[in-house]
Amino acid sequence: AQSVSQHNHHVILSEAASLELGCNYSYGGTVNLFWYVQYPGQHLQLLLKYFSGDPLVKGIKGFEAEFIKSKFSFNLRKPSVQWSDTAEYFCAVNKGKSGGSYIPTFGRGTSLIVHP
Amino acid sequence: DGGITQSPKYLFRKEGQNVTLSCEQNLNHDAMYWYRQDPGQGLRLIYYSQIVNDFQKGDIAEGYSVSREKKESFPLTVTSAQKNPTAFYLCASSTRDTQYFGPGTRLTVL
Repeated sequence: AQSVSQHNHHVILSEAASLELGCNYSYGGTVNLFWYVQYPGQHLQLLLKYFSGDPLVKGIKGFEAEFIKSKFSFNLRKPSVQWSDTAEYFCAVNKGKSGGSYIPTFGRGTSLIVHP
Repeated sequence: DGGITQSPKYLFRKEGQNVTLSCEQNLNHDAMYWYRQDPGQGLRLIYYSQIVNDFQKGDIAEGYSVSREKKESFPLTVTSAQKNPTAFYLCASSTRDTQYFGPGTRLTVL
């Protein structure tokens, strides 16, 4: 069965520190990869996604992620975090097509707290 | 204004009662989903529907039921058979390959 692992469950940083959140998946076929973010009291929203092409993906708010196929990884990075980046971050991998749509599998999430 | 609405935002019920959570979308998406979010456990899929009048069980369907009579609506019923119903419930709809989420309903069973 496919699984998605987020190794950092809680991360605490000071403003301007660099961020890297790990995401590994176990699936040998073609994958679509996502990072979602859930700010306090807000909807879960898409941060960035990778389907094909350049493995370095740029998202909103200065985030980026790199797909490394040989390592089954899709780590999220930001060179300098801000207090407003405090949120829960979820990695997701499409499980495979069921009917007309893909069914993603989500990681357990990483809670990021940024101190001003 | 396109999007996904869930109501109510907070819901309290007594143990043993069935409760229905609403989810409506005006994005014209065929696929809709229900997830349960618990601290430290991420999002777990309860049910999904690819098309009207059809739906499939997800990973944790026991104790839940759904219907899909209209494209815009995908209500979730939490039945008394669900052993631990207190949780945050998220509804989503999707294009072919990307999901969009509603604001969620926090259900507390007393």
